[in-house]
Amino acid sequence: GESVGLHLPTLSVQEGDNSIINCAYSNSASDYFIWYKQESGKGPQFIIDIRSNMDKRQGQRVTVLLNKTVKHLSLQIAATQPGDSAVYFCAERKGTLTFGKGTMLLVSP
Amino acid sequence: EPEVTQTPSHQVTQMGQEVILRCVPISNHLYFYWYRQILGQKVEFLVSFYNNEISEKSEIFDDQFSVERPDGSNFTLKIRSTKLEDSAMYFCASSIATGSSYNEQFFGPGTRLTVL
Repeated sequence: GESVGLHLPTLSVQEGDNSIINCAYSNSASDYFIWYKQESGKGPQFIIDIRSNMDKRQGQRVTVLLNKTVKHLSLQIAATQPGDSAVYFCAERKGTLTFGKGTMLLVSP
Repeated sequence: EPEVTQTPSHQVTQMGQEVILRCVPISNHLYFYWYRQILGQKVEFLVSFYNNEISEKSEIFDDQFSVERPDGSNFTLKIRSTKLEDSAMYFCASSIATGSSYNEQFFGPGTRLTVL
């Protein structure tokens, strides 16, 4: 996928580290927030979502935290692996999805 | 594992020409979507489609765009008279349902449209 841009924030980590990717959203009326992963040459892939009435949700190796006070969303990836290298972006849902710009995660072996 | 497919992977066209981007959603999905991503920018919603009609569309989806489900498997996006600024990756997505609870949208690999 061509989501990589000249001004994309980048997070570089070592394999095994925990990664935290952050996102600010804009619409306080959004009912769901979703994290997507996009690898080169592929479309976005759903990772995890969280409903607006929750503040934390855990999946397999991933945790999403929602802070509605400051309109902030984060994705935590535990024990990051080289296969996690991709662009990650959040989306908020109020009827339709509104996407953030994304963060490139680079995992070094 | 079922997946959304899109053809072609890359389409080059001259400004003013019509293009049709094709998608085959996952077979038991009922909701279909088109998104675009201009290079270096965010993914943007274009349109959602359910029960053979548009359910929502963005302001990007103006009169030059149209969608169709011509048969039981294909979902197409037509751009009638392409402009240079239509150059982007176009993603198709599908989901089982939508409504009050979020349902995962499965995205295709995208079609890169280049307008010269």
